[in-house]
Amino acid sequence: AQKITQTQPGMFVQEKEAVTLDCTYDTSDPSYGLFWYKQPSSGEMIFLIYQGSYDQQNATEGRYSLNFQKARKSANLVISASQLGDSAMYFCAMRESGGTTDSWGKLQFGAGTQVVVTP
Amino acid sequence: DTEVTQTPKHLVMGMTNKKSLKCEQHMGHRAMYWYKQKAKKPPELMFVYSYEKLSINESVPSRFSPECPNSSLLNLHLHALQPEDSALYLCASSLERGAYGYTFGSGTRLTVV
Repeated sequence: AQKITQTQPGMFVQEKEAVTLDCTYDTSDPSYGLFWYKQPSSGEMIFLIYQGSYDQQNATEGRYSLNFQKARKSANLVISASQLGDSAMYFCAMRESGGTTDSWGKLQFGAGTQVVVTP
Repeated sequence: DTEVTQTPKHLVMGMTNKKSLKCEQHMGHRAMYWYKQKAKKPPELMFVYSYEKLSINESVPSRFSPECPNSSLLNLHLHALQPEDSALYLCASSLERGAYGYTFGSGTRLTVV
C-alpha cells in the first residue's frame, strides 16, 4: 500500500513567489519521521527539512517550512521566495521507527514533484 | 561535499562484466542502505545493513550482491546485469536503523549495454 502520496507531478512557479508542495502519509506507528529531499538533475539527494511525529511545532529551515497537520496526516513543504536554483524534483519521505513492522527504519518515498522556477 | 562518498560516479558495463560500486562514510553511522532509482521515479530500497549485518533484502535479483566489510564501507557487486538495471544507484547511511536523518551519497549512474 502506498504510504506516501504526492499528488502534484509537476509545478511551475515564478521566481520570488512561494510554492507549496503537498504530501500525505499513512502509518499506524505513533513514532515516525517525515522528511523532504531535493534532487536536482545531478542526482544528489539533498536533505531539506525534518519533522518528528511528536514535535509540537512546525519545522523551519531557512526558506523551507513544513506545514505539519498530524490529524490530517499531511506534511506539506512551503518554499518561500523561490529561486531559479530551486528547480528540481522534490521528494517527501517517511521513516517509521516503532520497530513493530518490517518497514521500520526504512525511508519510504513519495512519487515526487518536479518544480520548475521561471524568471 | 557530501559525507557519504560513492565511487565511481558513472559506470558503463556490458552484460557479461563484473563490476563493483563502493560507498564509504566516516560519520560513525551503523546503518547503510542501497537504493535504486530510475529516471523520474522515487528511489527504491534494495538492501539495508545494520551493524554490518544484512537486515533487509527487498527481493533483489541475485545479480546484485551487497557486501559490508566494515561499518564504514558498503559495496554492491554487479554481475550479468540486464539493460533494465541501468539506473542511478544511491547509497545512504544513518546513525541507527531507526534513527533520524539519512545522509545520501551523490550516486553512481550505471548504464548496462
